[in-house]
Amino acid sequence: NAGVTQTPKFRVLKTGQSMTLLCAQDMNHEYMYWYRQDPGMGLRLIHYSVGEGTTAKGEVPDGYNVSRLKKQNFLLGLESAAPSQTSVYFCASTTQAGPEAFFGQGTRLTVV
Amino acid sequence: ELKVEQNPLFLSMQEGKNYTIYCNYSTTSDRLYWYRQDPGKSLESLFVLLSNGAVKQEGRLMASLDTKARLSTLHITAAVHDLSATYFCAVDRDDKIIFGKGTRLHILP
Repeated sequence: NAGVTQTPKFRVLKTGQSMTLLCAQDMNHEYMYWYRQDPGMGLRLIHYSVGEGTTAKGEVPDGYNVSRLKKQNFLLGLESAAPSQTSVYFCASTTQAGPEAFFGQGTRLTVV
Repeated sequence: ELKVEQNPLFLSMQEGKNYTIYCNYSTTSDRLYWYRQDPGKSLESLFVLLSNGAVKQEGRLMASLDTKARLSTLHITAAVHDLSATYFCAVDRDDKIIFGKGTRLHILP
């Protein structure tokens, strides 16, 4: 049972490049989340999804897009990367009834 | 808008001492979570608190929830070096899980 898996684990991008981060969960969870973690800022919610085909904005959605075409996958896209998007990105999943939310191992992204 | 505040943000303490981390939140919530994060690692779930007056304990850590005061506490008893980490509280409301900024705990031998 893999739980929540993020791909890739590390990436370096040049300013203006695009990329997609993949979050996959094998627990049949309805709810999935994308966060970014920056020093001293905790985890900030970028986008979230409450089910296949649905997405919603979180606290810091600008510069990011998401898609949830399949229940098990939640994709986070950066169309034109900026140095301000250098961060560690975490994905999480849970069910409506909870109680626990499970996290992936994180993706360390550097934009130069 | 839901806001979650933790204090202190940094805590340095001696082994064997007791201390409490506080988590205040601004609106009613469905669940409250406590997580631990070691440097360079992901988040590890410690506790999930669901109702007013809930108390959960695991080893030297005990978490409680007062929904009327919108306050949760994480109490550390007789701290040991292995508890050095960053601790986050998070609140679940309207399908979102919002985190506090974390408390970086450093336990001195």
